[in-house]
Amino acid sequence: EDQVTQSPEALRLQEGESSSLNCSYTVSGLRGLFWYRQDPGKGPEFLFTLYSAGEEKEKERLKATLTKKESFLHITAPKPEDSATYLCAVQARVFNDMRFGAGTRLTVKP
Amino acid sequence: EAGVAQSPRYKIIEKRQSVAFWCNPISGHATLYWYQQILGQGPKLLIQFQNNGVVDDSQLPKDRFSAERLKGVDSTLKIQPAKLEDSAVYLCASSRGGLAHSTDTQYFGPGTRLTVL
Repeated sequence: EDQVTQSPEALRLQEGESSSLNCSYTVSGLRGLFWYRQDPGKGPEFLFTLYSAGEEKEKERLKATLTKKESFLHITAPKPEDSATYLCAVQARVFNDMRFGAGTRLTVKP
Repeated sequence: EAGVAQSPRYKIIEKRQSVAFWCNPISGHATLYWYQQILGQGPKLLIQFQNNGVVDDSQLPKDRFSAERLKGVDSTLKIQPAKLEDSAVYLCASSRGGLAHSTDTQYFGPGTRLTVL
């Protein structure tokens, strides 16, 4: 079964229109939850690692939060250059590798 | 510091042919990963090396895929023979990786886009 589910699959925003991306996970024994950004034709670019429920991290217009069941990536006043696919991944004690969701494709229109 | 390097960037082959991809990790990174990313999906781990030893190859289709990491630095991933369903982007990543299953940040290369006709 899917261990990492991201929603929505695609999101179109106007420049300046804030929103949130969701990553829900079903694994127990979370060791780390990761957010990456991927531009077309490029490899994923690391954004954040979250380790425990209640943790928050920020970088420019992005803020990642973590609960026991899900993580949110909040985008405040996005710009067209924020357009990309955002990938979420988890590492857990029951498996050793990093398991990715399918991503949310974000488009920000000027 | 220089990032993860991969070559070639693109490759088109016929089914049943063989192909090889090369990866040079970030200098000093002990752990190297190969991922397969099918269009519309997230990356899936194929194999993980720590130095020149294999840590995890449970998802590597060993009847056709092989990988090696000589001297604990560069790595090659080979597919022989290729199938249509192998069409994907092959990503290499590296991390400092002092421990075999650490949560160290993984840094990705640009990937090789493989098309099997």
